[in-house]
Amino acid sequence: AQSVTQLGSHVSVSEGALVLLRCNYSSSVPPYLFWYVQYPNQGLQLLLKYTSAATLVKGINGFEAEFKKSETSFHLTKPSAHMSDAAEYFCAVSDPGTNAGKSTFGDGTTLTVKP
Amino acid sequence: SQTIHQWPATLVQPVGSPLSLECTVEGTSNPNLYWYRQAAGRGLQLLFYSVGIGQISSEVPQNLSASRPQDRQFILSSKKLLLSDSGFYLCAWRVSGAHSGNTIYFGEGSWLTVV
Repeated sequence: AQSVTQLGSHVSVSEGALVLLRCNYSSSVPPYLFWYVQYPNQGLQLLLKYTSAATLVKGINGFEAEFKKSETSFHLTKPSAHMSDAAEYFCAVSDPGTNAGKSTFGDGTTLTVKP
Repeated sequence: SQTIHQWPATLVQPVGSPLSLECTVEGTSNPNLYWYRQAAGRGLQLLFYSVGIGQISSEVPQNLSASRPQDRQFILSSKKLLLSDSGFYLCAWRVSGAHSGNTIYFGEGSWLTVV
């Protein structure tokens, strides 16, 4: 079984400040991990993914995430927030060894960027 | 390149009426297909997935059903809608097979309001 916990349903930062969105996972096998972004009334867009290569993963829009096995974490960061980063962010975990490839999603974190 | 489309984008349906949401994927063959529901302010709940034509797996007991009449077509249906069926429905796909990367790609979503 696998699960994802996103700490903090709402995060607010000032424009130009560091963005840190937290994600902890539980998985019985080495997982694949993902971050998605969702803008209002749209589908989810892949930001980045970890698939057992480099532990520091760089994604689109200046975001990156670090896989820490000892902490079972995959936190998302961006050095300097932009107004356009305001959206909802979802962390997801998946078992790489299954054909169905079902992903389990966290409940999401809404990021607000203040001017 | 691969694309995914779902429709209609929005619909308002009375309680007890039928439902049909359709999703098609282009540019790939034999994808895994998924239907997710996102209730307001909550995460994603996997409703159904399919690894092939006519193969449907249900994740949660509910008032909905899914069908896959063609390789790249996935339909979400209901015979009689309930108020609790309201939400944002997302179709998604990924490359089939284990160890394929498991990245799930989402459609634009369909807003369903049951009144």
